[in-house]
Amino acid sequence: KAGVTQTPRYLIKTRGQQVTLSCSPISGHRSVSWYQQTPGQGLQFLFEYFSETQRNKGNFPGRFSGRQFSNSRSEMNVSTLELGDSALYLCASSSPGAGGGNNEQFFGPGTRLTVL
Amino acid sequence: SQQGEEDPQALSIQEGENATMNCSYKTSINNLQWYRQNSGRGLVHLILIRSNEREKHSGRLRVTLDTSKKSSSLLITASRAADTASYFCATVLLGGGYNKLIFGAGTRLAVHP
Repeated sequence: KAGVTQTPRYLIKTRGQQVTLSCSPISGHRSVSWYQQTPGQGLQFLFEYFSETQRNKGNFPGRFSGRQFSNSRSEMNVSTLELGDSALYLCASSSPGAGGGNNEQFFGPGTRLTVL
Repeated sequence: SQQGEEDPQALSIQEGENATMNCSYKTSINNLQWYRQNSGRGLVHLILIRSNEREKHSGRLRVTLDTSKKSSSLLITASRAADTASYFCATVLLGGGYNKLIFGAGTRLAVHP
């Protein structure tokens, strides 16, 4: 099976612009989660989508949004970019399974966003 | 705020030695997972231990979980240069959302040939 793919891999934007990142999960996985990784704050959970519905949300401002399509592919959008949004954005997919939440997540390579 | 705290922040050892990393957390968990990350790339899942388990093994990895102390440790035996990476513990909180991982700050491991 192909792994989780993310596009683009690198992105440079300027303050005030908006950006859309894309994530294609492993085939058959219906859950997609997004994380932000910065040197200062580490890895932080943004949100999770399952069957086109946002199921969990982290503590990020409303400028960060996402959606999931019927084929489980997901996009996240950041509007009105700030310098502090420079980060590695990771998405992860998982299969619901029967483990009651005890499922590993498979991460993509990430999109490195630089805001100038 | 991060749920997990890891120590040490950095660890430098020689090939063949064992590496031990520790993780502490604050609230009740569903499970605890360890991930590896090479040079700012994606995370690779290493092992998942459920809250009712005390120890798990996977190849050269051994993970322990002490829920009374809210702590976990990851042991890598007979380390190799290829084990050089950052290692993160992540918790899934009880009732906190199945796929919402709360990560620790990580331990940077350097294994020297």
